[in-house]
Amino acid sequence: DAGITQSPRHKVTETGTPVTLRCHQTENHRYMYWYRQDPGHGLRLIHYSYGVKDTDKGEVSDGYSVSRSKTEDFLLTLESATSSQTSVYFCATASGTGHLEQYFGPGTRLTVT
Amino acid sequence: AQSVTQLGSHVSVSEGALVLLRCNYSSSVPPYLFWYVQYPNQGLQLLLKYTSAATLVKGINGFEAEFKKSETSFHLTKPSAHMSDAAEYFCAVSDYGGATNKLIFGTGTLLAVQP
Repeated sequence: DAGITQSPRHKVTETGTPVTLRCHQTENHRYMYWYRQDPGHGLRLIHYSYGVKDTDKGEVSDGYSVSRSKTEDFLLTLESATSSQTSVYFCATASGTGHLEQYFGPGTRLTVT
Repeated sequence: AQSVTQLGSHVSVSEGALVLLRCNYSSSVPPYLFWYVQYPNQGLQLLLKYTSAATLVKGINGFEAEFKKSETSFHLTKPSAHMSDAAEYFCAVSDYGGATNKLIFGTGTLLAVQP
């Protein structure tokens, strides 16, 4: 398994506060992704990165921003958290070679009150 | 655009019975297809993948899936369910091209195994 860690693993925050989630990988994978998982929706892509400082939006990017200043770290920021952003957030990586499978971190459960 | 549809959000089987989880895909290019499993409070783990080398793909934990182009299907099966198979299963198709390297996931099927 790819060495992917996410921090924090659980967070409760209030509406309107900024929140940053961190994904760290030790596999030197080129691609990194942020998903949110909600009942009935499966996994939906928020943002992804195809290299250091190279990022792009996914299907549910409104209200989120990302940064990737080095290969191993991919940060997801909620500028002003809303209750609709209560979810479980997963980070994933892919090497960019071979057959494109992704490897997932353990997830961060975020509750916005 | 690529997409996947998983039929049945909940499937219940008895221990020892056949497991069949359905996935149909839509793709404008030859697809790469994946099945992932998610155990409670964990991330997703790759079960198996289809990469055009063979239509019958064997994965971990006794699961396998068959790619059928004529039916645009990639159903997941296991001959005999075990209690430890209770989890949520996701089918995914690769949206490759350019720099995207993205996966498109289905909405998942929750498998319950009854003793």
